[in-house]
Amino acid sequence: DAKTTQPNSMESNEEEPVHLPCNHSTISGTDYIHWYRQLPSQGPEYVIHGLTSNVNNRMASLAIAEDRKSSTLILHRATLRDAAVYYCILKTYNAGNMLTFGGGTRLMVKP
Amino acid sequence: EAGVAQSPRYKIIEKRQSVAFWCNPISGHATLYWYQQILGQGPKLLIQFQNNGVVDDSQLPKDRFSAERLKGVDSTLKIQPAKLEDSAVYLCASSLDQSIYGLVWPQHFGDGTRLSIL
Repeated sequence: DAKTTQPNSMESNEEEPVHLPCNHSTISGTDYIHWYRQLPSQGPEYVIHGLTSNVNNRMASLAIAEDRKSSTLILHRATLRDAAVYYCILKTYNAGNMLTFGGGTRLMVKP
Repeated sequence: EAGVAQSPRYKIIEKRQSVAFWCNPISGHATLYWYQQILGQGPKLLIQFQNNGVVDDSQLPKDRFSAERLKGVDSTLKIQPAKLEDSAVYLCASSLDQSIYGLVWPQHFGDGTRLSIL
């Protein structure tokens, strides 16, 4: 699977939008972009995934660049509960479903 | 729906001892995974099961680690004998059938077992 690059950490103020970037310049045409997050002392939690078009769900939005070499996870109004490590993962579109986690971005939310 | 259940939540053993972890996946999930997460790092896949068969165990240290999924439901991961570098959180995850080409199912994780080796 292709590699992703994320900032080690980011800070946000409560109730403000947060944009978490992810670079994946070597992405292939069959790679899905997945986002998971891990709250303290919990297992990772699925957030969202997409292939080419922007995606929205109740948790977040995923904006994918036209050339697919980067993407941004958008939390529309950060809460203290959103403080977590956010992982951007590329997964090839095939029968296997192994996730290769990198270091992720640690998001800190200030009240 | 009930989530992925793991036990125990914490375990402390001495090096060279044995330890086992148990996982009960979400009902109906055919695919089960075990991950190892060392402090400060992202999770690393150890083994993936499809029903009761192994799909990928390429990163499982087979000289000391073993895993089974009898009857295609619950699973156990064992370490024998444990080494200091095995101190980590062991996460179990499950998903709907991943053998169906073209479908992308999210993985659902348990909260893990934190293993400390003295």
